[in-house]
Amino acid sequence: AQKITQTQPGMFVQEKEAVTLDCTYDTSDPSYGLFWYKQPSSGEMIFLIYQGSYDQQNATEGRYSLNFQKARKSANLVISASQLGDSAMYFCAMREGMDSNYQLIWGAGTKLIIKP
Amino acid sequence: DVKVTQSSRYLVKRTGEKVFLECVQDMDHENMFWYRQDPGLGLRLIYFSYDVKMKEKGDIPEGYSVSREKKERFSLILESASTNQTSMYLCASRGLGRLSSGANVLTFGAGSRLTVL
Repeated sequence: AQKITQTQPGMFVQEKEAVTLDCTYDTSDPSYGLFWYKQPSSGEMIFLIYQGSYDQQNATEGRYSLNFQKARKSANLVISASQLGDSAMYFCAMREGMDSNYQLIWGAGTKLIIKP
Repeated sequence: DVKVTQSSRYLVKRTGEKVFLECVQDMDHENMFWYRQDPGLGLRLIYFSYDVKMKEKGDIPEGYSVSREKKERFSLILESASTNQTSMYLCASRGLGRLSSGANVLTFGAGSRLTVL
């Protein structure tokens, strides 16, 4: 079974609109963390935002926020006021447990294209 | 401000050739990783290293080996390249920090796109 599912292979969004990228996860470990990375066409993966399973508030970083719904096991990335530079691949990933030498489990990614 | 450097952005090799992909980080990170990225499959872990001279197999180690003789350098080796190893290869490093803050996130290099003919 997939542990991280990103159901949107691709999305087109008009510039300045808000974007929601879906991510659902599956784990039985009570301690876990969820990460979002952006990969522009240049290739480098850029860390965007992190949400821990025990965090009380949804994470926010500038225009990025994480809509964390624990009961539904979803951790959707919301980008407010999209810009042309937001066009990229976006990956959701999860760590399970508290081992500092953790491995990430990755989703397949969503390709986001912002239209002018 | 370069932190993780992969020596080659693009390589074209012949089947059967030995291929070295080099990765260097300047952040004094303990952990280093090699991933393979293919469309629709996300990132798959090939090998990782917790510290110098230590290595662990990831999910798809077959056909690959690694070397970590110095803390800052982690090399991926394809002993005899095959066409099914045509892919994007990503190196990453990570320090040891508080899990709860997400502070010990992966820092990636720009990737090495390998084509095996």
